[in-house]
This record gives sequence, structure tokens and C-alpha cells, in this order.
Amino acid sequence: DIQMTQSPSSLSASVGDRVTITCRASQSIGNFLNWYQQKPGKAPKLLIYATSNLQSGVPSRFSGSGSGTDFTLTISSLQPEDFATYYCQQSYITPPLTFGQGTRLDIK
Amino acid sequence: QVQLVESGGGVVQPGRSLRLSCAASGFAFSSYGLYWVRQAPGKGLEWVAVIWNDGSNDDYVDSVKGRFTISRDDSKNTLYLQMNSLRVEDTAVYYCARSVGGVPIAQQLLRGEHFDYWGQGTLITVSS
Repeated sequence: DIQMTQSPSSLSASVGDRVTITCRASQSIGNFLNWYQQKPGKAPKLLIYATSNLQSGVPSRFSGSGSGTDFTLTISSLQPEDFATYYCQQSYITPPLTFGQGTRLDIK
Repeated sequence: QVQLVESGGGVVQPGRSLRLSCAASGFAFSSYGLYWVRQAPGKGLEWVAVIWNDGSNDDYVDSVKGRFTISRDDSKNTLYLQMNSLRVEDTAVYYCARSVGGVPIAQQLLRGEHFDYWGQGTLITVSS
């Protein structure tokens, strides 16, 4: 199975900050990497698919990049509603479909 | 609009059974693969089971193989998860999710899947 590792596990930042979250795959997955945002008590929400494609309705301050084994999610200017937990998910070979362990983004 | 609504959660003793349902609306249900994904309290996301759009294939995470069965009734636009021999470690919020973007690359394998819609989740607590 392909293992996904996110870093950092948690992060504190302020409104207006630029934030980057990293996801590393245990083997090359091309560009088959997706990002989700989850707020407490809510279902995950798709932000980005296939590394860099913004899901409809997602603000343009979110962007994704990478290829092979290393990927990043960047929020260019944090907004209050962005404080949440973020998960990456590989879609190179499924099933099994695997997620990273999550990155919790808190207000500093 | 697309909606997925789970039901059937609750408190159950270890070893007992439970069936979850996920009622779908707002899209062509039979055209999509569907997943159950769970999240234990304070933990991350874990896929549980998948069923392909035509029902021809299904698969499970190793920890539930032989105990859980995923199924779908396209006439009712409903996804199910039959959960038998429940264990304490099955305690979690269970989400159904619609899979899009997947392309077959080999028998029972896809590439490019992601989840564009999720239900609100239903909590299963397995406790004596």
C-alpha cells in the first residue's frame, strides 16, 4: 500500500499568513494527489484534485503543486475560515485509497 | 443539488451487527462509485469499503474484510454498509462519499479517484 505522510502535523499561523503543508508519498504517484479540508464536526471538503486542480467553488488562495513523491498545499493569505485540518489523499492506485494523517492549522 | 445522507448509527455492543444507509439525491446514482470512509474520535480518515458504479466490484480495508459488506440499491438511490461482528475499534463517524475521476487501470483498480461529495456522517459507538 502507498503510505502518505504529511508535515507538519500541526501548525499555528495568523490571518494573512502564507502557509504551506507538505505531503510525501512512499512511492511515486505521478500527479495523483488530492487535498481535503475538514472543520470540526463536519465532513471533509474537496479542495484540490490531481495535484493542482481547484475544485469548483474553492477560493483561489488555495493552490497545490508537486509531482512524484512530494506535494504541497499552499494558502496564500490565511482567512479566518481556513483554520481547519487538511488531509492529502493519493489516487494513483485505488483501492486501497490512502490519506495522510492530517495537518491541523490553528490560529496563532 | 447533490446530497448524501447517512443513517443507522448508534451504540452497539461488541459482536453485534448494524446496517448503515446512505440516501443519495441530486445525481445519477448508478453512474458513480461510492465509498464508506470512517474517522475514529480524534483521528484521521480511513477508507472502509468501496463499490463500483455497476456493483461489479467491491473491496474493503483489511481490518473489516469478512465482517463488513457494502452494497447498493440503485432503484432506491441508497448505499449500505452491513457491519457484523463489531469491535470496539470500529467506533467512528462513518461517511459515505461519491467517487469521481477514477479510470480503470487493471482489474478492480482505478487511478484518479477523489471524493467530490460527502455525507454528514453517522456515529457508531461500539461499547459494552
